[in-house]
Amino acid sequence: DTAVSQTPKYLVTQMGNDKSIKCEQNLGHDTMYWYKQDSKKFLKIMFSYNNKELIINETVPNRFSPKSPDKAHLNLHINSLELGDSAVYFCASSPRTGVKTNEQYFGPGTRLTVT
Amino acid sequence: AQSVTQLDSHVSVSEGTPVLLRCNYSSSYSPSLFWYVQHPNKGLQLLLKYTSAATLVKGINGFEAEFKKSETSFHLTKPSAHMSDAAEYFCVVSDYTDKLIFGTGTRLQVFP
Repeated sequence: DTAVSQTPKYLVTQMGNDKSIKCEQNLGHDTMYWYKQDSKKFLKIMFSYNNKELIINETVPNRFSPKSPDKAHLNLHINSLELGDSAVYFCASSPRTGVKTNEQYFGPGTRLTVT
Repeated sequence: AQSVTQLDSHVSVSEGTPVLLRCNYSSSYSPSLFWYVQHPNKGLQLLLKYTSAATLVKGINGFEAEFKKSETSFHLTKPSAHMSDAAEYFCVVSDYTDKLIFGTGTRLQVFP
């Protein structure tokens, strides 16, 4: 009965490769997010989608492309990986968008290491 | 623009003693505030949230936080620390666009 799940949990790859991270939520939420946590544990939002529509795009390089096939899934594809992309990526979901009281439910994270 | 400042990067306490993790916020309107906890190599779990109802908010695992508008603070407390409380704690403010803006985190260590 996992609420927000991500695959893979760990991803080690070389510079220049393309990789994807998948996220699924079974909470029936309308809104999903991607966050990046750097080596100093600082968390910053990257994207949010509401019912498959892009809502937030936070000045992320266009090598990062989110894709939402349906409202329960939000995948993150990264092209031409760079060393600075090494981080932990968290997926999250919330019931709906545009509500400041929304709490967000986080997945377990994907630790990406680029060598 | 909204922001949060966590005043301590590390806090160490002995088991059974009180915990205080400090957070100040900046917001141009009445904010929603949250505390999240991250145990080692785990995702983030919501501890509690303030949404302009009661100023004293009770959360899970015995944690609570008090919203003080005059001090722009939202400090997290627990009367008695447990070894399992050792983790990273994030104070978070939400804006109307759904963005959660995270503080830099406070690492809580609990000694036996």
